[in-house]
Amino acid sequence: GQQLNQSPQSMFIQEGEDVSMNCTSSSIFNTWLWYKQEPGEGPVLLIALYKAGELTSNGRLTAQFGITRKDSFLNISASIPSDVGIYFCAGQDPFGGGGADGLTFGKGTHLIIQP
Amino acid sequence: EPEVTQTPSHQVTQMGQEVILRCVPISNHLYFYWYRQILGQKVEFLVSFYNNEISEKSEIFDDQFSVERPDGSNFTLKIRSTKLEDSAMYFCATQDPPQGDYGYTFGSGTRLTVV
Repeated sequence: GQQLNQSPQSMFIQEGEDVSMNCTSSSIFNTWLWYKQEPGEGPVLLIALYKAGELTSNGRLTAQFGITRKDSFLNISASIPSDVGIYFCAGQDPFGGGGADGLTFGKGTHLIIQP
Repeated sequence: EPEVTQTPSHQVTQMGQEVILRCVPISNHLYFYWYRQILGQKVEFLVSFYNNEISEKSEIFDDQFSVERPDGSNFTLKIRSTKLEDSAMYFCATQDPPQGDYGYTFGSGTRLTVV
């Protein structure tokens, strides 16, 4: 099956620093998604990317869909304590088979912020 | 903001027992999914459901699992004879039709503990 390699696995940063994480895939996706998950909660969608080369921002978050459709990055600028959590990339090849395709998730980047 | 509601939030069951996990999708969404997340691991796709039938399923979704929409509103995941390794968070997700907003939304999950 499709595999997503997400890095780094964890990040220890100071409040105010910028953060960058990325995902690469062995195969093409038509959609890239970035989620944040906090303990005991479900993943919450941060940014959805639909076109190769697309660069999208959501507040302090910026994500890009790679030209090759095999990679994506997420940047967080000026990190704050509430950014703590696990960030997952996910890829979907929607409706390629005429039905609803599930998401393939990366293993997550655990973001820890030191005040 | 519309939510996906899952019940129960936590279920403890004995090995070999049947469990039913329930989800109330967002009302105008047409595509439904179940995912699981074993503690400390990535989110894994189980099954997608559209137009009252399974659209896609993963290797994890074996004969012990089944899904249905018994009353047109709830979306359920049944595990017939639970095993210890079924212990995980189970997330329901729902999605708009492709012509609308992407809207791939997760519920807060059911923590299943098999003892």
